[in-house]
Amino acid sequence: SQKIEQNSEALNIQEGKTATLTCNYTNYSPAYLQWYRQDPGRGPVFLLLIRENEKEKRKERLKVTFDTTLKQSLFHITASQPADSATYLCASDTGNQFYFGTGTSLTVIP
Amino acid sequence: ETGVTQTPRHLVMGMTNKKSLKCEQHLGHNAMYWYKQSAKKPLELMFVYSLEERVENNSVPSRFSPECPNSSHLFLHLHTLQPEDSALYLCASSQDPTGLGASSTDTQYFGPGTRLTVL
Repeated sequence: SQKIEQNSEALNIQEGKTATLTCNYTNYSPAYLQWYRQDPGRGPVFLLLIRENEKEKRKERLKVTFDTTLKQSLFHITASQPADSATYLCASDTGNQFYFGTGTSLTVIP
Repeated sequence: ETGVTQTPRHLVMGMTNKKSLKCEQHLGHNAMYWYKQSAKKPLELMFVYSLEERVENNSVPSRFSPECPNSSHLFLHLHTLQPEDSALYLCASSQDPTGLGASSTDTQYFGPGTRLTVL
């Protein structure tokens, strides 16, 4: 079955370091992947979209990559700050349905 | 503010109650969605409306009944719920160029959610 997975449930990093989150997909080829941020008790907020023909996308301290060989997208936050602490979700369309991953909870330690 | 509002923000109900969740979007979008988010589970798509027509229903129990009177408003009517239905219910909207409810690359804008507790 088609799946989108975020293998790390939680990630703790030191302030100033680069956080790297992983999203893997199986049994389909997404035309794009989206990344969202979700704070506790709130709805997800869209951050970035990367298409299958794009290797990399940047927005301020955020960078997303898309590797169709590894069937994976990486989400990087450089110079991380405590305010970056949140759950980050990847999402994509399988052609039949729009799926979200379970999310990775990032904690940036001061 | 994302342009999508949801009321109420918190709801506690008994299993025999009937209640409704309301969602309103001020973004001019033509597609609206209901999601359920339970702890440690991915967001589950419940219903999709595009151009006010329901185009997806992912085998959601009949105790959940959606209503979309126009492109700006979406309701989720609840009756005889079970304790396992306790979750965060999120509404979202997007612009669907196909009008078929097919996912597009346009992003989804989420409301703040309703935290539902069923006793």
